[in-house]
Amino acid sequence: DAKTTQPTSMDCAEGRAANLPCNHSTISGNEYVYWYRQIHSQGPQYIIHGLKNNETNEMASLIITEDRKSSTLILPHATLRDTAVYYCIVRASYGGSQGNLIFGKGTKLSVKP
Amino acid sequence: DAGVIQSPRHEVTEMGQEVTLRCKPISGHDYLFWYRQTMMRGLELLIYFNNNVPIDDSGMPEDRFSAKMPNASFSTLKIQPSEPRDSAVYFCASSLASPGYTDTQYFGPGTRLTVL
Repeated sequence: DAKTTQPTSMDCAEGRAANLPCNHSTISGNEYVYWYRQIHSQGPQYIIHGLKNNETNEMASLIITEDRKSSTLILPHATLRDTAVYYCIVRASYGGSQGNLIFGKGTKLSVKP
Repeated sequence: DAGVIQSPRHEVTEMGQEVTLRCKPISGHDYLFWYRQTMMRGLELLIYFNNNVPIDDSGMPEDRFSAKMPNASFSTLKIQPSEPRDSAVYFCASSLASPGYTDTQYFGPGTRLTVL
């Protein structure tokens, strides 16, 4: 799987948008970008994933650059409960089979009042 | 849905003892994963099953570790004998792989293992 690079930590004010960047310059054409987060003392939680188009769900938005070498996870209105480690993962997905999730160190997002 | 269930949530044992961690995946999911998380190594995949069959156990650290999935609703990870360096949080995850769709893994709350 392609490697990803994320900032070690970020701060965000409560109620503001949190924009978490991820570089994946060696991504292949069949590799997706996944985001998971891990709140302290809990298991990782799936947030969103995408291939080339921007994606949005009830939790977040994912913006992928046209060349697919980087992406940004956007939490539109961060709350204190969004304080967590956010993992950007690039992996291939094939119909009916699995690719391993390889977790890096992620970005520790601290949402402050 | 109750989500992925793991037991026990905390386990404290002495070096040399056998430890068994348990996992119940989400009903209907056909993939089950065991992960280990430590401060030093982060979150790493140990083994995963598809339809109760082990597919990739390359992440299992050594022969002291074994995992089984006797049926679709239950899996165990056993460490025998346990050592202090096995202290970690062990996560179980499950997913439903639908042909033509990407899968999403759902994680349990984890078992915090402390080996004294």
